[in-house]
Amino acid sequence: GAVVSQHPSRVICKSGTSVKIECRSLDFQATTMFWYRQFPKQSLMLMATSNEGSKATYEQGVEKDKFLINHASLTLSTLTVTSAHPEDSSFYICSARDNLRSGNQPQHFGDGTRLSIL
Amino acid sequence: DQQVKQNSPSLSVQEGRISILNCDYTNSMFDYFLWYKKYPAEGPTFLISISSIKDKNEDGRFTVFLNKSAKHLSLHIVPSQPGDSAVYFCAASEGQGGSEKLVFGKGMKLTVNP
Repeated sequence: GAVVSQHPSRVICKSGTSVKIECRSLDFQATTMFWYRQFPKQSLMLMATSNEGSKATYEQGVEKDKFLINHASLTLSTLTVTSAHPEDSSFYICSARDNLRSGNQPQHFGDGTRLSIL
Repeated sequence: DQQVKQNSPSLSVQEGRISILNCDYTNSMFDYFLWYKKYPAEGPTFLISISSIKDKNEDGRFTVFLNKSAKHLSLHIVPSQPGDSAVYFCAASEGQGGSEKLVFGKGMKLTVNP
């Protein structure tokens, strides 16, 4: 089945550090990937849609200069949290869909990245 | 404003019995619905989906029912097994494919007791 790999699984760093999270589709191509954030006891909230070869589409209230997204290939999207602060501490998770398969195809998720900013 | 609601935060059932997880939505433009299961420290795993042109979809022990007029869907698991214990998320999208953004409910923790 479709597999999405996300790395790293956990990051602990000091305030002001920039953190890069990678999301890879391992056995399929994905022209579109999605980045979500989940706070404790809350639902997954879409942050942005990552489009291969073009700019990401950000949801309302998400700072594009804060959360840099790069989708340079059909199997890799990266999210960089720039100058991270404690309020950016959260669970970040990506998803991707197999664009080449016909019919309704669900999004498949990575295992997420737990980001803790001290 | 939460467009997808899972009003019960938890459910506990006995092994072998039926588990019924409910989900309500407010956006009438949603036409594709999914259920995901999530274990701690892992990402959500796709379980089953349903298009708005159907009212039922079945896959093994899992059946999803959709009532468009009530804007309500439910996931039935029968028979329930201890390995089904996890957090279940209901999600919805506008558009018949997974390329459209998903709106998630808050999740419901299912515990299946041996």
